[in-house]
Amino acid sequence: SYVLTQSPPVSVAPGQTAALTCGGVDIDTKSVHWYQHQPGAAPILVIFNDNERPSGIPDRFSGSNSGNAASLTISRVEPGDEADYYCQVWDTASGHRVFGGGTKLTV
Amino acid sequence: QVLLVESGGDVVQPGKSLRLSCAVSGLTISDSPMNWVRQAPGKGLEWLAYISETGDRIYYAESARGRFAVSRDNSKKTLFFDMSSLVPEDTATYFCARERAGASFDHWGPGTLVTVSS
Repeated sequence: SYVLTQSPPVSVAPGQTAALTCGGVDIDTKSVHWYQHQPGAAPILVIFNDNERPSGIPDRFSGSNSGNAASLTISRVEPGDEADYYCQVWDTASGHRVFGGGTKLTV
Repeated sequence: QVLLVESGGDVVQPGKSLRLSCAVSGLTISDSPMNWVRQAPGKGLEWLAYISETGDRIYYAESARGRFAVSRDNSKKTLFFDMSSLVPEDTATYFCARERAGASFDHWGPGTLVTVSS
């Protein structure tokens, strides 16, 4: 089935920009969603349909999708952004929902 | 306020069965496709199963097919996940999640812990 490959752990200082990537074959033909997951909490949807933000998500979070890679960019990173981030798509061929392996962001 | 609350997690012996429930409030469950996702200790999120609004379409990950079954009772606003022939590798926190635009998961429960151990 479809495979998503996420970038290695990222460490950034507060106020800097974090860029996370999610690779997949022809991923630009799919809608990519991103989740923030902190230990002991429910995951939170931060970007859906490549670049849309749910209500309540600050505009510091943005997404893009092109070719074989999608990306999540977090600007002006804050300590509260420290979490694991997962990309996810719907593989229409199989009906399966697919998660990437996650990227740990340390602030 | 939208709330999804999982229950039924427990410590069970290998080979046993378990039923998880997900109670939904604050949204129209009959309009909502639902999913089960798990996270094993130290691992990432793993999608397990999808069920359509009416239950007429169901999909399973390979790791869930044959041993796990998803169902729903919209009149009770509850989603179910029946797990059988459990093995230690099924030890995880299990989440239910509501699906919306583009198959994104916009609401999640806090999860329920299943531990498979002798």
